[in-house]
Amino acid sequence: SQTIHQWPATLVQPVGSPLSLECTVEGTSNPNLYWYRQAAGRGLQLLFYSVGIGQISSEVPQNLSASRPQDRQFILSSKKLLLSDSGFYLCAWSVEDRRVSAQHFGDGTRLSIL
Amino acid sequence: SQQGEEDPQALSIQEGENATMNCSYKTSINNLQWYRQNSGRGLVHLILIRSNEREKHSGRLRVTLDTSKKSSSLLITASRAADTASYFCATDAPGNQFYFGTGTSLTVIP
Repeated sequence: SQTIHQWPATLVQPVGSPLSLECTVEGTSNPNLYWYRQAAGRGLQLLFYSVGIGQISSEVPQNLSASRPQDRQFILSSKKLLLSDSGFYLCAWSVEDRRVSAQHFGDGTRLSIL
Repeated sequence: SQQGEEDPQALSIQEGENATMNCSYKTSINNLQWYRQNSGRGLVHLILIRSNEREKHSGRLRVTLDTSKKSSSLLITASRAADTASYFCATDAPGNQFYFGTGTSLTVIP
């Protein structure tokens, strides 16, 4: 069966520090991969998605970046965090495009910027 | 309103009662999906209904879709305390877009 792992579960970082969140999927090949951010009490905002190794599409211009160095690995990074980067970050995968296929989510990373 | 907007924002019911939440959207769609999110966790996919379908069932879940009114409803029958969660609808939109709504927070009181 397929599983998705996302870590760390919580993270407290000072403003201006770098960030690296990792997500890995097991049990499937060539998944579509997604990074979302969820503000408190709000819906999900898509940050990045990837349909293959090295293929990254950005939905929201900001100081975050994403990379897909391996088929089932998706990394969210920042060189310098801002206060506004605080939030709940979710990684997800789908077999097909998310518009026609269920997405499967990790348990998220709660990021607090001080 | 946004592409997907749930109503009500919050709902509190007694265990055993039925829970109904609604989703309205603005543009034509091909598919509509419902997800559940337990507090502090990731989303779990519940059901996908296509634009040519009017009703779909999965266990205690019943989803309807009315494309003429641009709305969908999610009914949870015989609710349990474990159904306490936030429920989101998600729709595609023209231009290869896809949106999640802001969710309905459901509390089932034992």
